[in-house]
Amino acid sequence: EVQLLESGGDLVQPGGSLRLSCATSGFSFSNFAMSWVRQAPGKGLEWLSAIRAGDGRTWYADTVKGRFTISRDDSRGTVYLQLNSLRGEDTAVYYCARDRDFPKDVFDFWGQGTLVTVSS
Amino acid sequence: IQMTQSPSSLSASVGDRVAITCQASRHITNQLHWYQHKRGEAPKLLIFDASILETGVPSRFSGSGYGTDFTFTISSLQPEDSATYYCQQHDDIPAFGGGTKVEVK
Repeated sequence: EVQLLESGGDLVQPGGSLRLSCATSGFSFSNFAMSWVRQAPGKGLEWLSAIRAGDGRTWYADTVKGRFTISRDDSRGTVYLQLNSLRGEDTAVYYCARDRDFPKDVFDFWGQGTLVTVSS
Repeated sequence: IQMTQSPSSLSASVGDRVAITCQASRHITNQLHWYQHKRGEAPKLLIFDASILETGVPSRFSGSGYGTDFTFTISSLQPEDSATYYCQQHDDIPAFGGGTKVEVK
């Protein structure tokens, strides 16, 4: 059974940093691209970042480029998202998702999400 | 690419036929997928490549379209279909539509 479990969400002050983790199981992690998607309160889904299998090439949405960094550890089956220079508008539930058919970006499995709250 | 999804919300009765549209700002062939998102749950893939039903998804869900205009349909609305539905395109980077909140009366 494919499973994705996010962790690392917390209350953090503006300007602070946080690292989110997404631990996976039930599939050959090293063969799949992975993405992070968030949902701010009262808003829709927003794609943030992706990391390709193999060479680990990365992509970012303009809203987080230069502040967030995606990485992966194939030996642990885990994808990470480093969040720096956090702002109030980064408050959201953050989801990781498996990309079944990269680069078509078909997100076939998702985690339950982890909440990041940016507030003083 | 901008995705314009409409309506933003709708309310319909059990058994009704419901349609949601998504318009891309430029041609995206069939690179359009649909998801269901219930509060407190993980989003769920329903339709990929505009019209292909994901394995295990009930056949009352369907998708159509090509190029810039796409439609997602629930042929006979059920109580468990209360959720927000999103289209998502892939071009150079993925992007979601604004979502449609579906309420079952």
